[in-house]
Amino acid sequence: QKEVEQDPGPLSVPEGAIVSLNCTYSNSAFQYFMWYRQYSRKGPELLMYTYSSGNKEDGRFTAQVDKSSKYISLFIRDSQPSDSATYLCAMSFNTGNQFYFGTGTSLTVIP
Amino acid sequence: DAGVIQSPRHEVTEMGQEVTLRCKPISGHDYLFWYRQTMMRGLELLIYFNNNVPIDDSGMPEDRFSAKMPNASFSTLKIQPSEPRDSAVYFCASSLDRGVTEAFFGQGTRLTVV
Repeated sequence: QKEVEQDPGPLSVPEGAIVSLNCTYSNSAFQYFMWYRQYSRKGPELLMYTYSSGNKEDGRFTAQVDKSSKYISLFIRDSQPSDSATYLCAMSFNTGNQFYFGTGTSLTVIP
Repeated sequence: DAGVIQSPRHEVTEMGQEVTLRCKPISGHDYLFWYRQTMMRGLELLIYFNNNVPIDDSGMPEDRFSAKMPNASFSTLKIQPSEPRDSAVYFCASSLDRGVTEAFFGQGTRLTVV
């Protein structure tokens, strides 16, 4: 079993829809939870991160962490065609610098 | 800073040939990571360095893979001999010490072994 599991999709939604992306994990010691966005033929870029449990909002994006369920989510409101990309969740411990990535979910927002 | 720089962007080689991928991390970053990305397996960590020292190479698939970091501004990933199953996108990333939230990725090298 991989440490981080993510549904690869693909996910296709109409413009303006609310998108929900999710990951589950097995190691309860993870403390930092990140979402990276990767456009086609580019490297991943950090979108946002959350420390421990709770919610974090940044514009149209909201990240949620439920440590009791070992489940994290990224919500995108009013989705735009420019949001079309692959979204990767990632996690790390409180010490050290190793990142554990999900396989990514491919999202297409149709105009 | 120009970000993490990888070269070449694309590499096509024949099975059995040696392949060398290069990476220049962001100046001042203490950690350097090599990842491999495929559709089937996603982003896999191959090896990472801290202050030029290899810390964890457990992700390196076989002895055919080797990585070096001779100084703080340069790293190589070598595959010798290459095989078709090595075809993937290889990413280099760097981060600051205690940068537990963000790794900065290069554009990647798309390797095709025929």
